[in-house]
Amino acid sequence: EPEVTQTPSHQVTQMGQEVILRCVPISNHLYFYWYRQILGQKVEFLVSFYNNEISEKSEIFDDQFSVERPDGSNFTLKIRSTKLEDSAMYFCASSLDSYTEAFFGQGTRLTVV
Amino acid sequence: GQQVMQIPQYQHVQEGEDFTTYCNSSTTLSNIQWYKQRPGGHPVFLIQLVKSGEVKKQKRLTFQFGEAKKNSSLHITATQTTDVGTYFCAEKEGNRDDKIIFGKGTRLHILP
Repeated sequence: EPEVTQTPSHQVTQMGQEVILRCVPISNHLYFYWYRQILGQKVEFLVSFYNNEISEKSEIFDDQFSVERPDGSNFTLKIRSTKLEDSAMYFCASSLDSYTEAFFGQGTRLTVV
Repeated sequence: GQQVMQIPQYQHVQEGEDFTTYCNSSTTLSNIQWYKQRPGGHPVFLIQLVKSGEVKKQKRLTFQFGEAKKNSSLHITATQTTDVGTYFCAEKEGNRDDKIIFGKGTRLHILP
């Protein structure tokens, strides 16, 4: 069964460093998303991406965040200068279209120290 | 922005007992989705309800969408240890319905 894959599964980084979280969405999907989940809290929307551009973003997704689809398969989330409060599980998701369900990857646990 | 409120936050039930989680909104929802997240896992889509008063069943799970489309519930009959996890309701919204707003979830713990 097709699945969304994310790498790495766990990333530890020093405050102020840049991190890139990688995702390979399901191959025929057209909509891509990043969500984050601080430990024990709800899943929060960060950004959605369609047709090679951001279609929506939340207030969390500030200038420190960016997304890219560098090739036909990868979808990346970059945090330019990490802060302690960026520590969370980051989930990538994709969906076939805007009406069907999103499939989530296993997540990348980001720990900023 | 749109908020979906979910209650209870935690629920402990004996194995075999029923469980219900409720999702409420102050405004009309365009749809409601339910996800399950196992401990340490990722959200997994369970179902989407779109129509007013809609009821859908998946084995021991029953999902309802209120007549006014402002509330929804997930009911599990005769819980099993495999039901452990957090159940999130969510609305898919946005200009092109491409943003999912999650509730805070109900964490279900099963007592053996």
